Amino acid sequence: KAGVTQTPRYLIKTRGQQVTLSCSPISGHRSVSWYQQTPGQGLQFLFEYFSETQRNKGNFPGRFSGRQFSNSRSEMNVSTLELGDSALYLCASSLLSGRLSYEQYFGPGTRLTVT
Amino acid sequence: AQKVTQAQTEISVVEKEDVTLDCVYETRDTTYYLFWYKQPPSGELVFLIRRNSFDEQNEISGRYSWNFQKSTSSFNFTITASQVVDSAVYFCALSEAGGANSKLTFGKGITLSVRP
Repeated sequence: KAGVTQTPRYLIKTRGQQVTLSCSPISGHRSVSWYQQTPGQGLQFLFEYFSETQRNKGNFPGRFSGRQFSNSRSEMNVSTLELGDSALYLCASSLLSGRLSYEQYFGPGTRLTVT
Repeated sequence: AQKVTQAQTEISVVEKEDVTLDCVYETRDTTYYLFWYKQPPSGELVFLIRRNSFDEQNEISGRYSWNFQKSTSSFNFTITASQVVDSAVYFCALSEAGGANSKLTFGKGITLSVRP
């Protein structure tokens, strides 16, 4: 099976701009989660989507948003970029069912640099 | 609130040494899941193992072994006969039970350097 894919891999944006990152989960996985990784804060949960619905959200401002499509692919958007948004953004997919929590498989990440 | 503490920040060993990475967690849930992930320099998080809170059986997989102790809220990871390719950042993570909650809470990570 193909793994989780993320595009683009690298991105440079200017403060104030907006950006959209894309994630394609492993085939058959319906849950997609997004994480932000920075040297200072480490790995932090952004949000999770399952069957096109946001099921869980981390403690991030409203500038961070996401969505999931019917084929389970997901996008996240960051508006009005700030320097502090520079980070590695990781997408993970999981075979989530009922009350069980399965392991999440991560993509290679999108390295976002805000100048 | 759930929390994962990895007190060790950096560990350096010589190839073939055994090394243990410590992880202590906090959660109010009685059912939860623990994970270890490895992040090599390429940046992609690689899943290593998942444990359920109701299964304290320890596991060995090749050179890797895990020690889960509910009494001390610890989930330690040991690499036997370390190799240079084991050099990476290792993360311990916790998620609470429930189909509506797959959020992973990560520790800060331990940078392992294995020298030839």
